Amino acid sequence: EAGVVQSPRYKIIEKKQPVAFWCNPISGHNTLYWYRQNLGQGPELLIRYENEEAVDDSQLPKDRFSAERLKGVDSTLKIQPAELGDSAVYLCASSWGQTSYEQYFGPGTRLTVT
Amino acid sequence: GESVGLHLPTLSVQEGDNSIINCAYSNSASDYFIWYKQESGKGPQFIIDIRSNMDKRQGQRVTVLLNKTVKHLSLQIAATQPGDSAVYFCAERKGGATNKLIFGTGTLLAVQP
Repeated sequence: EAGVVQSPRYKIIEKKQPVAFWCNPISGHNTLYWYRQNLGQGPELLIRYENEEAVDDSQLPKDRFSAERLKGVDSTLKIQPAELGDSAVYLCASSWGQTSYEQYFGPGTRLTVT
Repeated sequence: GESVGLHLPTLSVQEGDNSIINCAYSNSASDYFIWYKQESGKGPQFIIDIRSNMDKRQGQRVTVLLNKTVKHLSLQIAATQPGDSAVYFCAERKGGATNKLIFGTGTLLAVQP
């Protein structure tokens, strides 16, 4: 069974530039999450989707971050413009059902903003 | 500015010994507690979970203990192997229909051959 797929795996950009991350969840998983993980810390939820609806985006910095999951399958997370403090690993996870606590994580995208 | 250096709690054990990784949680209303393993360059991987109405649960080579009185969670790994070397995170799920996981600070497990 294919796991959660994310691309790119690594991205280096200059501050003020835009960047986008892509995620394809496990087939059949209708719940999709985006997390940010700073070095040495646990993941922090940015946004959660149930199918194509964002049901929890309270932690998403909406002035510069946006996300979409148009067809309820794959998703894109965008940052525009990027700041130095956005350097982190961006993880995508998926689960079967909105109450399932067993979330399956992708390998993440390591973003470096210079 | 950013802090320099990484102050991740580290547990160093010999191969074959048992490991115990501890975690303190904050929300007494959490209904599930989960342990994740994260290897370098990979996303967290589910290991084992425990429901809040239990105090012990065993898996293959792993046991999770929950002490709600002191809000403490532990992960025991029997006969630790080099492949167990990773960062381990505990996570708590807020009660109710929300599926928000709150992750704790990780512990680096280093297995010495």
